[in-house]
Amino acid sequence: DADVTQTPRNRITKTGKRIMLECSQTKGHDRMYWYRQDPGLGLRLIYYSFDVKDINKGEISDGYSVSRQAQAKFSLSLESAIPNQTALYFCATSPGQGYQPQHFGDGTRLSIL
Amino acid sequence: GQQLNQSPQSMFIQEGEDVSMNCTSSSIFNTWLWYKQDPGEGPVLLIALYKAGELTSNGRLTAQFGITRKDSFLNISASIPSDVGIYFCALPGGGGTSYGKLTFGQGTILTVHP
Repeated sequence: DADVTQTPRNRITKTGKRIMLECSQTKGHDRMYWYRQDPGLGLRLIYYSFDVKDINKGEISDGYSVSRQAQAKFSLSLESAIPNQTALYFCATSPGQGYQPQHFGDGTRLSIL
Repeated sequence: GQQLNQSPQSMFIQEGEDVSMNCTSSSIFNTWLWYKQDPGEGPVLLIALYKAGELTSNGRLTAQFGITRKDSFLNISASIPSDVGIYFCALPGGGGTSYGKLTFGQGTILTVHP
């Protein structure tokens, strides 16, 4: 089983819809992250959490919200989806205590029509 | 935030050729990371560099942490078809609560022709 699991893997929806992407991990890591990947732009950080109830904005948080109500789960929401939020979304985890390598899920491909 | 530039954006090579890509930053850092993303999967850490001038190998991959601490290079020798994917350099965030975040380069898309 994957250590970092993202659901759904693919989603097509319409402009204005509310969407939630889920991430769960079995690694026991304290830190969790949501990134967005667009061609030619690499991965950009949306939100991150260093512990349950801890939420921090990343580079591109506008239009997104997150929830961390358990150590193993970190969800990303788009309250009212727009077409330029079409992208590949990745969840990642890392242990606490300073810098540690991040472990990524396999991504959610989101298309907004 | 820091500026991180990765080049080239894409490479098309024949199997067996060597590959080289690099990243430069606008600031000095103490750690450089290189990730690979296989098609349909998330990035996976290849090599981590922690010291200026450090040269680290992982099989056919070799990465170097530049002496200026503002750049890093990744080389792949004798490429094979499974080297296909996107390669990213990355830098950890600053100190305090931002420590642990990563800033990624734009990625180098590698295509290997058999």
